[in-house]
Amino acid sequence: GNSVTQMEGPVTLSEEAFLTINCTYTATGYPSLFWYVQYPGEGLQLLLKATKADDKGSNKGFEATYRKETTSFHLEKGSVQVSDSAVYFCALSDTAGGTSYGKLTFGQGTILTVHP
Amino acid sequence: SQTIHQWPATLVQPVGSPLSLECTVEGTSNPNLYWYRQAAGRGLQLLFYSVGIGQISSEVPQNLSASRPQDRQFILSSKKLLLSDSGFYLCAWSKGYEQYFGPGTRLTVT
Repeated sequence: GNSVTQMEGPVTLSEEAFLTINCTYTATGYPSLFWYVQYPGEGLQLLLKATKADDKGSNKGFEATYRKETTSFHLEKGSVQVSDSAVYFCALSDTAGGTSYGKLTFGQGTILTVHP
Repeated sequence: SQTIHQWPATLVQPVGSPLSLECTVEGTSNPNLYWYRQAAGRGLQLLFYSVGIGQISSEVPQNLSASRPQDRQFILSSKKLLLSDSGFYLCAWSKGYEQYFGPGTRLTVT
């Protein structure tokens, strides 16, 4: 079955530091890949996505590239801010059998804390 | 634009009591709908999904049930809550591969 593995957290950084959160996946077929962000006490928000190999998703200074050869989708940001403190989830879509139900498989989440 | 609502925002219920959480979506028709639970430790578990009115698929056997009485309404229920039902319940909708989440309901079973 499908699975997503994220780097263990929590991750603690100083403001303006470089961020990398690793994500690798196992899937049959050709999944789409996503990063979601969850701020304290809130639901998840879609941060960025990539739908095919070598696609780069980007939003709010965050980037991730769909690497089929390494089955990875690592999240990066060049300079983090205190407001980036949140939980980040990597996820992949389930396209088995050509369905488009949009079922997602999530990683366990990585807590990011950014200090001033 | 589309919006998704969940209520209540927080709920404290005694063990053995019934549960009803509601989710509604505005601004779209015939969405796929989902219920997730996020227990302490932040991982998300898909509980139910629905591709149409009256069509419910369960991902894990449990003490909960779901119903979709209208196109854009999704209800999560239980006849008798257990302590282990505590958690943060998230509803989501999709029309394709992307899912959009509601604000969540924090359920504490005492």
